[in-house]
Amino acid sequence: AQTVTQSQPEMSVQEAETVTLSCTYDTSESDYYLFWYKQPPSRQMILVIRQEAYKQQNATENRFSVNFQKAAKSFSLKISDSQLGDAAMYFCALSGGYQKVTFGIGTKLQVIP
Amino acid sequence: KAGVTQTPRYLIKTRGQQVTLSCSPISGHRSVSWYQQTPGQGLQFLFEYFSETQRNKGNFPGRFSGRQFSNSRSEMNVSTLELGDSALYLCASSLAGQGGNEQYFGPGTRLTVT
Repeated sequence: AQTVTQSQPEMSVQEAETVTLSCTYDTSESDYYLFWYKQPPSRQMILVIRQEAYKQQNATENRFSVNFQKAAKSFSLKISDSQLGDAAMYFCALSGGYQKVTFGIGTKLQVIP
Repeated sequence: KAGVTQTPRYLIKTRGQQVTLSCSPISGHRSVSWYQQTPGQGLQFLFEYFSETQRNKGNFPGRFSGRQFSNSRSEMNVSTLELGDSALYLCASSLAGQGGNEQYFGPGTRLTVT
């Protein structure tokens, strides 16, 4: 079985500042993928960033980057220069091989102007 | 390309009734996954269909069922509705199924059971 834990139900950040969302996971697979998805209020969920476990280099997408610590089974998301449009629910997700994708319960991010 | 569409967007049903939700994936996508989203529970995986075959199934009772048609459109059925089935039901499509592939989500169907 695979599990994903997001221990921060809510976070807030000042506009233009940096925030880090935490995620820990557990899986018995040696080959797996990790994702961060964003669900804005009343809008569709979209992929923010994806990390392949076999790659040591941390994934980066513009202002979004991850800190992937494989031994610690940690996968945090850093958002730099936060913008009002970043306000959303953020879900960490794990997929091992062809197993189902497991999502965490989400972190609600508030961006303060 | 058109995105993932789900119909209906909102639904109100009475306990004991049954309901069918529909999902049309992005053109060319062969995998459709269904999730139940409730506050505090996050997204709970229901099942995944790939080329008309159920490939994965979550831990939901048999009242929850689904199917996929040859054009990749998928339906989800819930029989004998319970109050606890009230949730946002999301479907997601991907090119080759779960695993490392990005999933594209629909807007969801908000089901309220009274």
